[in-house]
Amino acid sequence: KAGVTQTPRYLIKTRGQQVTLSCSPISGHRSVSWYQQTPGQGLQFLFEYFSETQRNKGNFPGRFSGRQFSNSRSEMNVSTLELGDSALYLCASSAGSLSGANVLTFGAGSRLTVL
Amino acid sequence: KQEVTQIPAALSVPEGENLVLNCSFTDSAIYNLQWFRQDPGKGLTSLLLIQSSQREQTSGRLNASLDKSSGRSTLYIAASQPGDSATYLCAVAYSGAGSYQLTFGKGTKLSVIP
Repeated sequence: KAGVTQTPRYLIKTRGQQVTLSCSPISGHRSVSWYQQTPGQGLQFLFEYFSETQRNKGNFPGRFSGRQFSNSRSEMNVSTLELGDSALYLCASSAGSLSGANVLTFGAGSRLTVL
Repeated sequence: KQEVTQIPAALSVPEGENLVLNCSFTDSAIYNLQWFRQDPGKGLTSLLLIQSSQREQTSGRLNASLDKSSGRSTLYIAASQPGDSATYLCAVAYSGAGSYQLTFGKGTKLSVIP
C-alpha cells in the first residue's frame, strides 16, 4: 500500500515568487491536511480538505491557499514568497472521520527555501 | 485555543535506561492524542494513538498513557537504544474545530548514548 507522496521534496525560490506543492494521499483516503514546520514555531496547521471542500484553515495569511481534486490529490500554493516561508511543509492523509479512531499518515515533506 | 506543551525540550540518557516524556494540553475536548517520532529532516512516524475514551496504549517497548481530565499524557520508553534517538512529538486532535486537525507540542529531542 503506497504511502503519502509529496512533490517536490526540495525546492529553492526567491522572494516574491510563488510555489505550488503537491500531495498524493493514500488510496481511499478522502482527507488531506497540510502543516508547516519551522524551527521557531514548530508544527502548525495550515488547512484541511475533505472531499474537495476546505473544512478548516489555520492562522495563516491569504497568500497560503490550497485545493483538493476529485481524486483526493491536493495542492497548496504560496504566493509572494517571504523569507519566513522557508519551512518543511508536511501533508497528511486520513479517512477524514471526526472521531478518535481517525489516524493521520504523514508524507516525507517538501522543504522550501526562500532566498 | 488548544495549547500543547512538552517537557523536557531535550533529554540525553545512557543506553538501556528507561525514560518518560511528558505532554500536557489545555483543552480536554479532544478526539485523541498521538505520539510521533521525527528523525532529522524527515516526516513524522506515528508511534501510538490513544483515543479520548482510552487510558493507555502499548507497542513493543513503548507505552503511552492519557489522563484527559488533567490534560496530561506520558510516553514511556523501556530499555532505550541508540536507534531511539529522535525528536518525539505529542499532538492532540481537537474536537471543537469542525475539522480534523492536530495541535502539536514543540517536541522532546532524545539522545541515547551508547
